[in-house]
Amino acid sequence: AQSVTQPDIHITVSEGASLELRCNYSYGATPYLFWYVQSPGQGLQLLLKYFSGDTLVQGIKGFEAEFKRSQSSFNLRKPSVHWSDAAEYFCAGRDFGNEKLTFGTGTRLTIIP
Amino acid sequence: DGGITQSPKYLFRKEGQNVTLSCEQNLNHDAMYWYRQDPGQGLRLIYYSQIVNDFQKGDIAEGYSVSREKKESFPLTVTSAQKNPTAFYLCASSMLGLTDTQYFGPGTRLTVL
Repeated sequence: AQSVTQPDIHITVSEGASLELRCNYSYGATPYLFWYVQSPGQGLQLLLKYFSGDTLVQGIKGFEAEFKRSQSSFNLRKPSVHWSDAAEYFCAGRDFGNEKLTFGTGTRLTIIP
Repeated sequence: DGGITQSPKYLFRKEGQNVTLSCEQNLNHDAMYWYRQDPGQGLRLIYYSQIVNDFQKGDIAEGYSVSREKKESFPLTVTSAQKNPTAFYLCASSMLGLTDTQYFGPGTRLTVL
């Protein structure tokens, strides 16, 4: 079955430090993968998406993600976090030809001074 | 401005009452979706619609109903049959196509008293 796993429920990072949020997926040959961010009480905002081609994808707000088929991973990275990056991050995916999106359970990011 | 609007932002209802959540989009998107979000569970798909006057059940459709009479509108009714309706509800929309991406509204928080 298609699935998306985010192993880390909560991560705390110091402001200015680098960040990596993990996402593992279980899909067929052509997964479409997404990262969304959600501030408390708000909707989800798309950070970036991967459909095909270059495995390193650039997104908004300085985020990037790398698709690694051999590891079934699509980890989100940022070289230097800002206090405004504190939020919940969701990884999501779907198979080619399937309109239904499956979400991970989210990772809550806390930024400390 | 193009976007997705959900109203109201907060909604309270008594047990045994039906309530309807509004979702409108002016993005000219073909497909619309309703998700339920509970803490620690990510987003779960309730219903989706790819075309006017047609919709499909998602993973947790029991106790919910929808209609799609207009392309831009996809209201969700939470019926008294839904056993645990208190949650955050998110509406999304997308174009239809191989690389379609879902965009989200701001959400409605429903509390059953």
